Amino acid sequence: EAQVTQNPRYLITVTGKKLTVTCSQNMNHEYMSWYRQDPGLGLRQIYYSMNVEVTDKGDVPEGYKVSRKEKRNFPLILESPSPNQTSLYFCASSDNRGLLSGELFFGEGSRLTVL
Amino acid sequence: GQNIDQPTEMTATEGAIVQINCTYQTSGFNGLFWYQQHAGEAPTFLSYNVLDGLEEKGRFSSFLSRSKGYSYLLLKELQMKDSASYLCAVRGGASGGSYIPTFGRGTSLIVHP
Repeated sequence: EAQVTQNPRYLITVTGKKLTVTCSQNMNHEYMSWYRQDPGLGLRQIYYSMNVEVTDKGDVPEGYKVSRKEKRNFPLILESPSPNQTSLYFCASSDNRGLLSGELFFGEGSRLTVL
Repeated sequence: GQNIDQPTEMTATEGAIVQINCTYQTSGFNGLFWYQQHAGEAPTFLSYNVLDGLEEKGRFSSFLSRSKGYSYLLLKELQMKDSASYLCAVRGGASGGSYIPTFGRGTSLIVHP
């Protein structure tokens, strides 16, 4: 089954404790992206990657890091989480054809709470 | 930059028709998209418009007017399961990061019996 898998789905952590949210897709997609979704603010892009070893900042990259060492994986790293990073996070992927038509495939979301 | 505006919330009755509007201002334009998102779930792709006019897909249709910076999503024969948030997204010119869609804040649609 074609899918985008995120882990963990739910996480409560404390300020400053490094964490990684993993994202994996099995569709051989070139493009992957991370979004955060907050009430009243909609989906905002954090980082994206057009292919292996190619990453770029989105609209709200501060406090986040990413890497794209393999095509299928695109982990989101919070080196020193803060309470303002409490949010619902979505990973998305697409192939080049899908990117043209705007069809992004989203993971189920990861709800992160930073105390 | 890009600015996308859509109503925060709408209500409608089961069986009726509802139109969700989206206006946008972008530096360049390369496509407008609609996504549906049920509460607590991932967004799912509904439609794509790049040329002016109406695109129909079953009960859902999407319209685009590039000169007016305006789109709408039309939902016919509303069902209770259509209660969801509807996200309008716009892609600017094909140069670097602006090739990626920017999402509006979404319209929460509540369908009543």
